Amino acid sequence: GAVVSQHPSRVICKSGTSVKIECRSLDFQATTMFWYRQFPKQSLMLMATSNEGSKATYEQGVEKDKFLINHASLTLSTLTVTSAHPEDSSFYICSARSFLADWTQYFGPGTRLLVL
Amino acid sequence: EDQVTQSPEALRLQEGESSSLNCSYTVSGLRGLFWYRQDPGKGPEFLFTLYSAGEEKEKERLKATLTKKESFLHITAPKPEDSATYLCAVTGGSNYKLTFGKGTLLTVNP
Repeated sequence: GAVVSQHPSRVICKSGTSVKIECRSLDFQATTMFWYRQFPKQSLMLMATSNEGSKATYEQGVEKDKFLINHASLTLSTLTVTSAHPEDSSFYICSARSFLADWTQYFGPGTRLLVL
Repeated sequence: EDQVTQSPEALRLQEGESSSLNCSYTVSGLRGLFWYRQDPGKGPEFLFTLYSAGEEKEKERLKATLTKKESFLHITAPKPEDSATYLCAVTGGSNYKLTFGKGTLLTVNP
């Protein structure tokens, strides 16, 4: 149980294009989903928190116009990196918290983004 | 501000050589302490959630324990496939955010 998927697992795009990453909770309803970014050999950095049907809450320093987050249902959240640049290249990971009030976050497998 | 410190940063063991990883934390109103395993290029895999001091949980060769100031992840007779980065995180108060430690990179040699 508690499986979270991400798609795509890897994406390469040209500078200036937009990229959408999907995060799905497969076997539970996720009240809250989180988006993280991870740089090589570093721990996870929280970018934003999203609740179903509400606007996302972004962490300080994260550009909300560059990283658009939509949480349209209890099983799907999307992260769109708009006008991507090489410095946006990173490993993006989502997580989901169960609707059943457990505090545990379950993580997706991650998406490797490379912007050329 | 919540803080999590993991030690050691890296640990090399021989197969079968048991050891422990440490996670020291400070948090206002602990809601949960979490252990995850992360393999290179993958997202963190959930291992355990501990909610209160004195709690213990086990899964195969792993056992997690919790006190009011720290948690230990005990690895008994590790195998090479246990090699990974082990992450400790806490959440407290009324928000669901996780505060992560920097992780312990465990290498188990055959």
